[in-house]
Amino acid sequence: GESVGLHLPTLSVQEGDNSIINCAYSNSASDYFIWYKQESGKGPQFIIDIRSNMDKRQGQRVTVLLNKTVKHLSLQIAATQPGDSAVYFCAENRPKGNTGFQKLVFGTGTRLLVSP
Amino acid sequence: EAQVTQNPRYLITVTGKKLTVTCSQNMNHEYMSWYRQDPGLGLRQIYYSMNVEVTDKGDVPEGYKVSRKEKRNFPLILESPSPNQTSLYFCASSLKGGNTEAFFGQGTRLTVV
Repeated sequence: GESVGLHLPTLSVQEGDNSIINCAYSNSASDYFIWYKQESGKGPQFIIDIRSNMDKRQGQRVTVLLNKTVKHLSLQIAATQPGDSAVYFCAENRPKGNTGFQKLVFGTGTRLLVSP
Repeated sequence: EAQVTQNPRYLITVTGKKLTVTCSQNMNHEYMSWYRQDPGLGLRQIYYSMNVEVTDKGDVPEGYKVSRKEKRNFPLILESPSPNQTSLYFCASSLKGGNTEAFFGQGTRLTVV
């Protein structure tokens, strides 16, 4: 079935580098996307979101890019720090048929390893 | 402090013994959901609730039940747990469904032997 997926299961970077984590989605009706960070032993934490009427959104050290043409989402982390080491998930808000209900569908995650 | 609270954090049980994992949120959110997280499979939605007394199946509902009698609570019930339900479970809430930020609990690690 349709799913949210990631290109790279593990990304290793040096401290200070910029990191880019990619995500592909398959449902063109999805209208909202979120990136979550999950540290070991904790629940996912919201990082940044973007709605389908935008193609770029910036936060503190993070930027999300949305390319609806190719159904691609990316998370850019500037000046990556050891504290950024975690698993990152993208999620899409997918309408559920004609019910009016919606649900978040998560990708399988990318592990980011930051070396000092 | 705004939070989603799950209990217990860890649970080991035997096959067939009914159990309930509680979830409570203090943000007056309408939407709550349960996920299970398994290696290589990410987060998969079990059940969700759009509001009090309104629930629906997610992607992997078999073997689970939920109820939403009050806005703040959304317990997950396993009537007859089986070993394939060994997993890490997360409860989440959001203001109004999938198009708003979801807040997650700390997780419940369940082992069924």
